[in-house]
Amino acid sequence: AQTVTQSQPEMSVQEAETVTLSCTYDTSESDYYLFWYKQPPSRQMILVIRQEAYKQQNATENRFSVNFQKAAKSFSLKISDSQLGDAAMYFCAYRGHHAGNNRKLIWGLGTSLAVNP
Amino acid sequence: GAVVSQHPSRVICKSGTSVKIECRSLDFQATTMFWYRQFPKKSLMLMATSNEGSKATYEQGVEKDKFLINHASLTLSTLTVTSAHPEDSSFYICSASLVGELFFGEGSRLTVL
Repeated sequence: AQTVTQSQPEMSVQEAETVTLSCTYDTSESDYYLFWYKQPPSRQMILVIRQEAYKQQNATENRFSVNFQKAAKSFSLKISDSQLGDAAMYFCAYRGHHAGNNRKLIWGLGTSLAVNP
Repeated sequence: GAVVSQHPSRVICKSGTSVKIECRSLDFQATTMFWYRQFPKKSLMLMATSNEGSKATYEQGVEKDKFLINHASLTLSTLTVTSAHPEDSSFYICSASLVGELFFGEGSRLTVL
């Protein structure tokens, strides 16, 4: 069975600084997707970034980028130029590629990120 | 992007009553929707997978008679908490799948008195 591990329950960063959230996963599949979701105090889950396993290039979305190491099964999220609005819970998630829409997400336990002014 | 709307956002009910939560995909058809429960400062716990026109698939440990899920159309899935008890108080989130990506509703805070 697939698992997702986020080893940092809480992190903090100074405004305008850079922070990296770690995520490791375990799977025997070769084709899958990895996601980072943000859940602010409003509780609305927001997709931050998505990575297809077959793509070697790390996904980037403005100030958010990932370091995807497939062999090491590592998928860390880097937030550059941190802003107060980045304060939230961040969840790493895995989804297998096959079986279409029925494949459920496997979630990490989350990392609570505080941004200090 | 795809929008999923969940209603109500907050509901308070008395113990023993039933509560229905709706999840709608506003601008796309969702053959599959997922229902999650989230405890404070915890991760999402998948309760069930809802497929349009068929019975929901419940995760182990989730009481199907207590948490009734209906997915009668391609844009609407409902979760009914039957005979609610205080321990059912929680945050419930739905999501809809589109091309392998999940889009989430705003969540519903249920408080059972």
